[in-house]
Amino acid sequence: EAGVTQFPSHSVIEKGQTVTLRCDPISGHDNLYWYRRVMGKEIKFLLHFVKESKQDESGMPNNRFLAERTGGTYSTLKVQPAELEDSGVYFCASSQGPSDTIYFGEGSWLTVV
Amino acid sequence: AQSVTQLDSQVPVFEEAPVELRCNYSSSVSVYLFWYVQYPNQGLQLLLKYLSGSTLVKGINGFEAEFNKSQTSFHLRKPSVHISDTAEYFCAVRTYNFNKFYFGSGTKLNVKP
Repeated sequence: EAGVTQFPSHSVIEKGQTVTLRCDPISGHDNLYWYRRVMGKEIKFLLHFVKESKQDESGMPNNRFLAERTGGTYSTLKVQPAELEDSGVYFCASSQGPSDTIYFGEGSWLTVV
Repeated sequence: AQSVTQLDSQVPVFEEAPVELRCNYSSSVSVYLFWYVQYPNQGLQLLLKYLSGSTLVKGINGFEAEFNKSQTSFHLRKPSVHISDTAEYFCAVRTYNFNKFYFGSGTKLNVKP
């Protein structure tokens, strides 16, 4: 069974450009999460989807970030326009239920120059 | 609210020596505790977790951790490290009901020959 997959694994973009990160959760997992780690700091929660609905988006830093999960399957996280401080690793994770075992993807490394 | 403190950002150690990575947490409610590891250029991998029961938890790769409720600590230990243990280690907590994790800032373990 495939795990949580993220694309792209690495991206380098210029300040002001747009980047879209994609996450495919484990099949059948209704719960999908985005986390990020910037500048060597702690990994922080961004948001939580239950199917296509945003259950908790309290960690989204500002309105330059837009997360979607159309159809309750894969999710995208768009950063527009990207700023230097957005550089970091964006992790996606999924679980079957909201308190079931969570599985993390390998992360998308974003560098904004 | 929950928070996690990892007291050491970097821990250098020689191969076959014992190691302890420290983690303290703060929470107004009961939490589950976790240790994750990130090897170079890889994603987050679960090392071990404490949900309930025995306060000494054994994980993969010979690691173990002890939950100390009175000291609100969850230190990670290994009696003899290998070069392959070189990685970054993250302590994390989450509440019972949701997979909203609070991570520490990470400890880089550097095992030297």
